[in-house]
Amino acid sequence: AQTVTQSQPEMSVQEAETVTLSCTYDTSESDYYLFWYKQPPSRQMILVIRQEAYKQQNATENRFSVNFQKAAKSFSLKISDSQLGDAAMYFCAYRSTSNYQLIWGAGTKLIIKP
Amino acid sequence: GAGVSQSPRYKVAKRGQDVALRCDPISGHVSLFWYQQALGQGPEFLTYFQNEAQLDKSGLPSDRFFAERPEGSVSTLKIQRTQQEDSAVYLCASNLDSSIYEQYFGPGTRLTVT
Repeated sequence: AQTVTQSQPEMSVQEAETVTLSCTYDTSESDYYLFWYKQPPSRQMILVIRQEAYKQQNATENRFSVNFQKAAKSFSLKISDSQLGDAAMYFCAYRSTSNYQLIWGAGTKLIIKP
Repeated sequence: GAGVSQSPRYKVAKRGQDVALRCDPISGHVSLFWYQQALGQGPEFLTYFQNEAQLDKSGLPSDRFFAERPEGSVSTLKIQRTQQEDSAVYLCASNLDSSIYEQYFGPGTRLTVT
């Protein structure tokens, strides 16, 4: 069975600085999708960025980028120029190409210091 | 159109009561998912619908949990004889088709069983 691990329960960063959130996963499959979701206090999950496992190039979305290391089964999220609005819980999630279920990590609480 | 909506946003139930949680997916979205998110944890899959067909209910924790989507749009998650361990946020998500990776989430219903 696939598992997703986020080893950092909480991270803090100074506004305008860069922070990296870690995620590792375990799977025997070769093709899958990985996601980072943001959950603010309003509770609504918002997709931040996604990565297809077959793509070697790391995904980027404006200030958000990932470091996808397929052999190491690592999928970290880098947030550049952190803003107060980035404060939230961040969840890493895995989805097999053959199964629609999302498998989630336990989350990392990101605190932005003004 | 509008995003995924859920009602009520908050529900307090006494142990042993039955509750019904509603999800209105994005119009035209074929796939609908329910997740349970316990406090301080990532979501866990409960069940999946494609149109009105419940294709996977493997995540439902007990036979007290029941979900339906009779007309292929609105879905209701029902919990009978609620227990304290049922206290959680219940998230609903939808997407146009299960082959598409992005799921759009509602704000969730926070259920507290006293």
